[in-house]
Amino acid sequence: AQKITQTQPGMFVQEKEAVTLDCTYDTSDPSYGLFWYKQPSSGEMIFLIYQGSYDQQNATEGRYSLNFQKARKSANLVISASQLGDSAMYFCAMREGGYNNNDMRFGAGTRLTVKP
Amino acid sequence: DSGVTQTPKHLITATGQRVTLRCSPRSGDLSVYWYQQSLDQGLQFLIQYYNGEERAKGNILERFSAQQFPDLHSELNLSSLELGDSALYFCASSVEASGHTGELFFGEGSRLTVL
Repeated sequence: AQKITQTQPGMFVQEKEAVTLDCTYDTSDPSYGLFWYKQPSSGEMIFLIYQGSYDQQNATEGRYSLNFQKARKSANLVISASQLGDSAMYFCAMREGGYNNNDMRFGAGTRLTVKP
Repeated sequence: DSGVTQTPKHLITATGQRVTLRCSPRSGDLSVYWYQQSLDQGLQFLIQYYNGEERAKGNILERFSAQQFPDLHSELNLSSLELGDSALYFCASSVEASGHTGELFFGEGSRLTVL
């Protein structure tokens, strides 16, 4: 069974600094996708970034990058130049399998607070 | 706007009652997922449908049921409601096809309060 672990219940970062949110996963399937979502206080789930298990390079999307260490089974999210609007819950998630994907499972989340 | 529509946005009801939550996926998406998020908790996967058929089942209680209709909209039925069922219920849809990353597109959620 797939499992996602986010060990940081809460994180603080100073505005304009970078922050890393940790995520480790466990799967025996060689094909899987890793995802990060942001949930602001308004409640919606916003997709941030995706990393495929066969991707050779770390994914990047604007100020978001994913530090993918396959051997360690970690997929940490790095947010550069933090902004006040980055304050939110962040969830790491995984789907196993090919394009007929299985369901997506989520970690417990990390609450990020950006300080002015 | 994700393109996934959920109704109602808010619902308050009493213990023992039954409610139905509705979801319309993004145009063209065949898969619908339901998740439950209790206060300050992560998302718990309930159930997945693909083109009208149940594909995967998670931690869904027997008091809960779902279906996906021929027009691909889905309904989640919650019966014999208990206080602990109070939560934010998300619907999500996805493109299930080669070349897509498979991210889920979430609706805004239906917030259920059981009194």
